[in-house]
Amino acid sequence: NAGVTQTPKFQVLKTGQSMTLQCAQDMNHEYMSWYRQDPGMGLRLIHYSVGAGITDQGEVPNGYNVSRSTTEDFPLRLLSAAPSQTSVYFCASSYSGMRSQPQHFGDGTRLSIL
Amino acid sequence: AQKITQTQPGMFVQEKEAVTLDCTYDTSDPSYGLFWYKQPSSGEMIFLIYQGSYDQQNATEGRYSLNFQKARKSANLVISASQLGDSAMYFCAMREGRGQAGTALIFGKGTTLSVSS
Repeated sequence: NAGVTQTPKFQVLKTGQSMTLQCAQDMNHEYMSWYRQDPGMGLRLIHYSVGAGITDQGEVPNGYNVSRSTTEDFPLRLLSAAPSQTSVYFCASSYSGMRSQPQHFGDGTRLSIL
Repeated sequence: AQKITQTQPGMFVQEKEAVTLDCTYDTSDPSYGLFWYKQPSSGEMIFLIYQGSYDQQNATEGRYSLNFQKARKSANLVISASQLGDSAMYFCAMREGRGQAGTALIFGKGTTLSVSS
């Protein structure tokens, strides 16, 4: 009963380092997305994907890359970490991109950039 | 302009009382979905309730109901008979179309609900 799995749960990086946040779902969901949550800002959409090979930008895409080579996985890459990217990152998925579909969330990755 | 506005940063209620959390939205898409999520202090996001833009009746799920006023573009969450376990952050969200790019779920900034005994 895994649902949406995010790894790691916690990470500390130095400015300029790169890393990949992993997200995997076992529900055969077509739609996946990444959000960041900052105090007082709610959840802001970084990137999303409507299916394997198809991705698009959200509200705050700068500094992040994504790819979707399989239905199950949707990794988020930080190319050159900056302190402004310190945040809690959530991955979410839904069966489709239909407007009626709620998204299921992973438990989040807490990322600190020093 | 904000797509989802939650004007109440914090709300306080006593156990067994009802509470309304406000949400207004802005979209030109005639077809959209409205959602409420709960985030307890442990951090996970829990889906509570959904309302479609074409739904004629207000959505209900147990103690949760959604007061949907389409003309006013509001989708307030009503929690009846509050419990201590309802203390959490609550997010209103809207899923609207992005043309061929599918849809995007956009969140408000949230309201913190505190329930006291």
